[in-house]
Amino acid sequence: GESVGLHLPTLSVQEGDNSIINCAYSNSASDYFIWYKQESGKGPQFIIDIRSNMDKRQGQRVTVLLNKTVKHLSLQIAATQPGDSAVYFCAGAVGGNNDMRFGAGTRLTVKP
Amino acid sequence: GAGVSQSPSNKVTEKGKDVELRCDPISGHTALYWYRQSLGQGLEFLIYFQGNSAPDKSGLPSDRFSAERTGGSVSTLTIQRTQQEDSAVYLCASSSIGVYEQYFGPGTRLTVT
Repeated sequence: GESVGLHLPTLSVQEGDNSIINCAYSNSASDYFIWYKQESGKGPQFIIDIRSNMDKRQGQRVTVLLNKTVKHLSLQIAATQPGDSAVYFCAGAVGGNNDMRFGAGTRLTVKP
Repeated sequence: GAGVSQSPSNKVTEKGKDVELRCDPISGHTALYWYRQSLGQGLEFLIYFQGNSAPDKSGLPSDRFSAERTGGSVSTLTIQRTQQEDSAVYLCASSSIGVYEQYFGPGTRLTVT
């Protein structure tokens, strides 16, 4: 959800495997979510978004699943590549005024 | 067009000195955010500006931290009497009204010695 200041959980996968990164959120009023990717030395970049009236959205090699009942979303990356190694953040909209808050993030490492 | 820019990219300062970090948002973006990211950790929300509304300062960790946004565009984050625990990357992001996606700058790496 919105925890900060924590050491990042890590996920290590083999190149070519599928990756699943999870995120829990606390605010049941959140109605919009984004996944961001942050490569080393750079700011986070948008990957994919989903609105709360959807439970699944697919992009290129990525799928986001939203379970509002348990306030959980996941990012699935198909056929993970070394270039996917990064920190992944979920962010949820709080209120209706451009305000988004970020989860703690997960560090994905892809082994060749 | 240009993305979000931040300056300086790196800043080394002595403990007790004041520092100013600058953010130039994407032109026309009404929302501007500052975050802090310590090494190996997540994003810590600091402050949020939206148009002419009063900023949301709920994330500022102490009264040594302040931020301004002049003319609805450029923002400056000021840290007074810096401490070693202030060492981190300070990220700025902006977004357009009614759009949640935030566009991030490259960050300023602050090191307090």
